[in-house]
Amino acid sequence: QKEVEQDPGPLSVPEGAIVSLNCTYSNSAFQYFMWYRQYSRKGPELLMYTYSSGNKEDGRFTAQVDKSSKYISLFIRDSQPSDSATYLCAMSDFNKFYFGSGTKLNVKP
Amino acid sequence: GAGVSQTPSNKVTEKGKYVELRCDPISGHTALYWYRQSLGQGPEFLIYFQGTGAADDSGLPNDRFFAVRPEGSVSTLKIQRTERGDSAVYLCASSLTGTTGELFFGEGSRLTVL
Repeated sequence: QKEVEQDPGPLSVPEGAIVSLNCTYSNSAFQYFMWYRQYSRKGPELLMYTYSSGNKEDGRFTAQVDKSSKYISLFIRDSQPSDSATYLCAMSDFNKFYFGSGTKLNVKP
Repeated sequence: GAGVSQTPSNKVTEKGKYVELRCDPISGHTALYWYRQSLGQGPEFLIYFQGTGAADDSGLPNDRFFAVRPEGSVSTLKIQRTERGDSAVYLCASSLTGTTGELFFGEGSRLTVL
């Protein structure tokens, strides 16, 4: 079993839709949680960083962490074609970062 | 520079050749990571430096792979006797504090072994 599981998609939505991206994990020692956006042939770009459980909002993006369920989510409101990319979740204990395999999102104009 | 810089952005080599990939982290970041990413996959951990020393090299696939960070800033990933299976994007990332901090990536070095 992988440390971090992420649905690879692809996920296709119309412009303006609310997008929900999710990851599950198995290691209860994870404390730090991140979401990255990766455009084709580019490096991952950090979108959100959260510590422990709870919500964090930044513009159209909201990150949620539920440590009791070992489940994290990224919500994108009013999605735009420019949001079309692969979204990677990542998390760390005090030793390493662990990444999901990424969900490919396509926002159709 | 403002971000993590990696060179070369693309490298094509022949099987059996030696390759060096360079990473210049964000100024002041003590932690530096190398990852490898294959198509459709997330980044796969290779090695982690805290300062000049390799704190964790458990992700290096075999002894053909080696990395150095002699002055605690720039790092070089070295691959000897390259194989076709080494073809991937090699990503470098840096963090101010290590695993408790935000991790920032470069654009990657795309290695193709013919």
